[in-house]
Amino acid sequence: AQSVTQPDIHITVSEGASLELRCNYSYGATPYLFWYVQSPGQGLQLLLKYFSGDTLVQGIKGFEAEFKRSQSSFNLRKPSVHWSDAAEYFCAVARPADYKLSFGAGTTVTVRA
Amino acid sequence: ETGVTQSPTHLIKTRGQQVTLRCSSQSGHNTVSWYQQALGQGPQFIFQYYREEENGRGNFPPRFSGLQFPNYSSELNVNALELDDSALYLCASSFGLAGGNYEQYFGPGTRLTVT
Repeated sequence: AQSVTQPDIHITVSEGASLELRCNYSYGATPYLFWYVQSPGQGLQLLLKYFSGDTLVQGIKGFEAEFKRSQSSFNLRKPSVHWSDAAEYFCAVARPADYKLSFGAGTTVTVRA
Repeated sequence: ETGVTQSPTHLIKTRGQQVTLRCSSQSGHNTVSWYQQALGQGPQFIFQYYREEENGRGNFPPRFSGLQFPNYSSELNVNALELDDSALYLCASSFGLAGGNYEQYFGPGTRLTVT
């Protein structure tokens, strides 16, 4: 069964600083990979996804993620964080054969002024 | 285009009771998935419905059941509620099972508290 690990439970970053959130997955082949964001009281919003091809994917809100097969990682980055980026971020994987998403435990991002 | 909606927003139930949560899928979507998100955790897949048939189930007991209607809206039913069922229940809709852009659109969730 696939699994997802987000090693950082909580990250605090200054506004304007860069942000990197880590995600490692365990799966026999290359899964479909996703990053979602959840603001307090909100559902999940898709930031970006990777299916195949270029390993650097661009998403919404200025986020990007890089797939590294050798490290089984799909880390999320943003060059300059805004206060509105404070939220919970989830990495998720899915087997190409079905639509079931397996989520990591999430990383809470706090942005300080 | 109407997004995914869920009702109710919040509810409180007593242990042993039964609850029904509702989800209206996004226009044009024929697949609905349900997830349980306990406090401080990531969402866990409960089951998925495609064209009114269950199409995959996660590690949840049979007291979690569902339905999908001809208009592709869906219900999640939980019988014999337990304290550990307290969670945010998320519904996600998508179009089809394979191919396409494989994107699930999530609703805002229903917060269930079991006392």
